[in-house]
Amino acid sequence: GNSVTQMEGPVTLSEEAFLTINCTYTATGYPSLFWYVQYPGEGLQLLLKATKADDKGSNKGFEATYRKETTSFHLEKGSVQVSDSAVYFCALFNQGGSEKLVFGKGTKLTVNP
Amino acid sequence: DTAVSQTPKYLVTQMGNDKSIKCEQNLGHDTMYWYKQDSKKFLKIMFSYNNKELIINETVPNRFSPKSPDKAHLNLHINSLELGDSAVYFCASSPRGRQGVYGYTFGSGTRLTVV
Repeated sequence: GNSVTQMEGPVTLSEEAFLTINCTYTATGYPSLFWYVQYPGEGLQLLLKATKADDKGSNKGFEATYRKETTSFHLEKGSVQVSDSAVYFCALFNQGGSEKLVFGKGTKLTVNP
Repeated sequence: DTAVSQTPKYLVTQMGNDKSIKCEQNLGHDTMYWYKQDSKKFLKIMFSYNNKELIINETVPNRFSPKSPDKAHLNLHINSLELGDSAVYFCASSPRGRQGVYGYTFGSGTRLTVV
């Protein structure tokens, strides 16, 4: 079946540090990959996405590249801010498969000033 | 205008009670979902409806009954609430056949606390 594995959190960084949150997936076929962000007390917001191999999704300084050879979609940001503190979820959707968005367990990021 | 709106935002109730959570979307999507987020932030799909038709039911206790009066609404009714039902429940919607392109749009959640 389809599954997503994210690095365990929590992750604590200082402002302006480099961020990487690892995400790998297992799926048949060619899933679409997503990163969602959940700020404290809020719902999930789509952060970025990639729909095919080698696509790079980017938004708000965050980037992730769809790597089919390593089945990965790692999230990166060059310089984090306090306002980036949130829980980040990697997810996949397999069109024509199970018809549901499958999430990783989430990684909590705390950025200190 | 809120794209996916859920009510109430908070719900505190006693064990054994029956409660409902409402969800409405104004995006013109034809597929809607309920997800449960536990205390460890893990998200698990419960139900999916496409244009009022149930298409996913993920081994959820039959105390949970979704109802979709039209494609813009998906409500969740819970009978005989138990302590373990305490969680945040998220509604979401997507255009069917294009989920891989657009993903899902989520509501802001309903925090249910059973005491």
